[in-house]
Amino acid sequence: DVKVTQSSRYLVKRTGEKVFLECVQDMDHENMFWYRQDPGLGLRLIYFSYDVKMKEKGDIPEGYSVSREKKERFSLILESASTNQTSMYLCASSLQVDGYTFGSGTRLTVV
Amino acid sequence: AQSVTQLDSHVSVSEGTPVLLRCNYSSSYSPSLFWYVQHPNKGLQLLLKYTSAATLVKGINGFEAEFKKSETSFHLTKPSAHMSDAAEYFCVVSVVFGNEKLTFGTGTRLTIIP
Repeated sequence: DVKVTQSSRYLVKRTGEKVFLECVQDMDHENMFWYRQDPGLGLRLIYFSYDVKMKEKGDIPEGYSVSREKKERFSLILESASTNQTSMYLCASSLQVDGYTFGSGTRLTVV
Repeated sequence: AQSVTQLDSHVSVSEGTPVLLRCNYSSSYSPSLFWYVQHPNKGLQLLLKYTSAATLVKGINGFEAEFKKSETSFHLTKPSAHMSDAAEYFCVVSVVFGNEKLTFGTGTRLTIIP
């Protein structure tokens, strides 16, 4: 089974802190994605990557950046966390359109 | 551009009765369509997908969906609801241009009444 592992299940950070959310997949997938999930809004795409060192903005990239130095790892970075970034963050990877696998999510609270 | 609209944010049905979760899509090109399910405190799981083959798609746990191009709809159905079906359901659209990204609907929370 493909595994997508997100390093933290729950995270509490202070306003203004730099926050790193890590995601690792073990199936050599080329495509990796970061979404945030908020009640009533579904999942919204923040950033995605189709290859190492490659990144593209999704629908809501403001306040976020990403890093993909190795194929298996895709990091989401909040340069200066704000309370409106309190959310559930979901990482996914895929090889082709029917191969999306999601991680269990990181629930981030910014206080 | 592509989008999906889930017409109901919350659906309640009695155990043993049919389930209907409604989804309309918009896409400039031939879409791929999916339904994902998320049980409480669990990750997202693929229920079924449509990728331009048969218009009636069967998925896991007795769910199925029918692609209707004339109505731009992809409604999810199940003949008889079970308590374990209580979850949040997402309709998703994708257009493939060599690589793809998924666009999610806002979700429908399904409650099963004993």
